[in-house]
Amino acid sequence: QVQLQESGPGLVKPSETLSLTCTVSGASISSYYWSWIRQSPGKGLEWIGYIYYTGITNYNPSLKGRVTISMDTSRSQFSLRLSSVTAADAAVYYCAKHTNRKFNPWGQGTLVTVSS
Amino acid sequence: EIVMTQSPLSLSVTPGQPASISCKSSQSLVYSDGKTYVSWYLQKPGHSPQLLIYEVSSRFSGVPDRFSGSGSGTDFTLKISRVEAEDVGVYYCMEGTHLWTFGQGTKVEIQ
Repeated sequence: QVQLQESGPGLVKPSETLSLTCTVSGASISSYYWSWIRQSPGKGLEWIGYIYYTGITNYNPSLKGRVTISMDTSRSQFSLRLSSVTAADAAVYYCAKHTNRKFNPWGQGTLVTVSS
Repeated sequence: EIVMTQSPLSLSVTPGQPASISCKSSQSLVYSDGKTYVSWYLQKPGHSPQLLIYEVSSRFSGVPDRFSGSGSGTDFTLKISRVEAEDVGVYYCMEGTHLWTFGQGTKVEIQ
């Protein structure tokens, strides 16, 4: 079955860039859309953006141009970069397979703390 | 901006009894293809969300038939016909029509 695993630093300094990677197994990364979603106590679940293997991306306007999602099909990975982070960006970050306007499955999530 | 409002925010249920969660959208969730993209997720304690229902009323593979979804336009409901202990967690509705917006969540506990 499809499995997703997030990885990356658990601690990011304010004003720096958060970088996370999602590794996909059990499915061709070139066959689906893939999303990043985050969950924080303050804002609940928030969709961040998606990518398709052709390079098509779509981002949540609320993140105001700070987001970039990219893909490495040779490694079956897609990545998230979020610049100029603040305490409001602290959250559990999930990656998920995005098909027919729903998310399934989700990765286990990775906690990111923003602190100096 | 779409707002998804769930109620109640918490629910304590006796095993074997039914439960119902409402989700109201600030805008119609009918997509340009005529379909309505509302899905429901359950986040069990310590786990990531898992898909239960998609396109308002379609049960995802492996989801018990005690779970059902209904609704149209801006009003949607998730029903559990007979709650079991394994159903505890936080339930979220989500619209996939506009910008993939989630409700605040409804915490279900067993009495």
